Amino acid sequence: RKEVEQDPGPFNVPEGATVAFNCTYSNSASQSFFWYRQDCRKEPKLLMSVYSSGNEDGRFTAQLNRASQYISLLIRDSKLSDSATYLCVVSTWEYGNKLVFGAGTILRVKS
Amino acid sequence: DVKVTQSSRYLVKRTGEKVFLECVQDMDHENMFWYRQDPGLGLRLIYFSYDVKMKEKGDIPEGYSVSREKKERFSLILESASTNQTSMYLCASTLGVQPTGELFFGEGSRLTVL
Repeated sequence: RKEVEQDPGPFNVPEGATVAFNCTYSNSASQSFFWYRQDCRKEPKLLMSVYSSGNEDGRFTAQLNRASQYISLLIRDSKLSDSATYLCVVSTWEYGNKLVFGAGTILRVKS
Repeated sequence: DVKVTQSSRYLVKRTGEKVFLECVQDMDHENMFWYRQDPGLGLRLIYFSYDVKMKEKGDIPEGYSVSREKKERFSLILESASTNQTSMYLCASTLGVQPTGELFFGEGSRLTVL
């Protein structure tokens, strides 16, 4: 079983739609959680951290469910520019800063 | 603005050739990482370094070695390239050893081994 699993998609949605992605992780000792965004042929960039209480950044909302070991990302009012691959990232404290990446979920927003 | 620079964006090599991928960061970060990214598999950690001349194996170190002679530079070496090492290679850096989550990536080096 992969340590971090995501639905690869693609999720094809119209502009203005609300879309949600889930990500499950297998290691219950995982401590920190993040969403990264990767545009086509570009490097990944941090989108947002995921806090236990949930957090929001504009149109983006991230949630953590430790009991069920998943995190989610909700995007409201989708824009064409939101089209990208969204990577779920989980950190388990070991020596050094080890982050485990999911394979990513592809989002395509269409006009 | 933070900057991680990888020396080559695209490389084509032949099986058995030695390959050097170089990465330089200008943020005075302690930690540097080499990942490879393949479709359906995500990013997988090859090696990382938390200090000059220090290195640690990641999840898939076989067939690779690294060098960190200066804080700002972290090199990935393929001693004898093979076709299964065709991939996108991403270098990243981060400050400190706490899992802050913010890795700064270079633009990637797409390697094709024929």
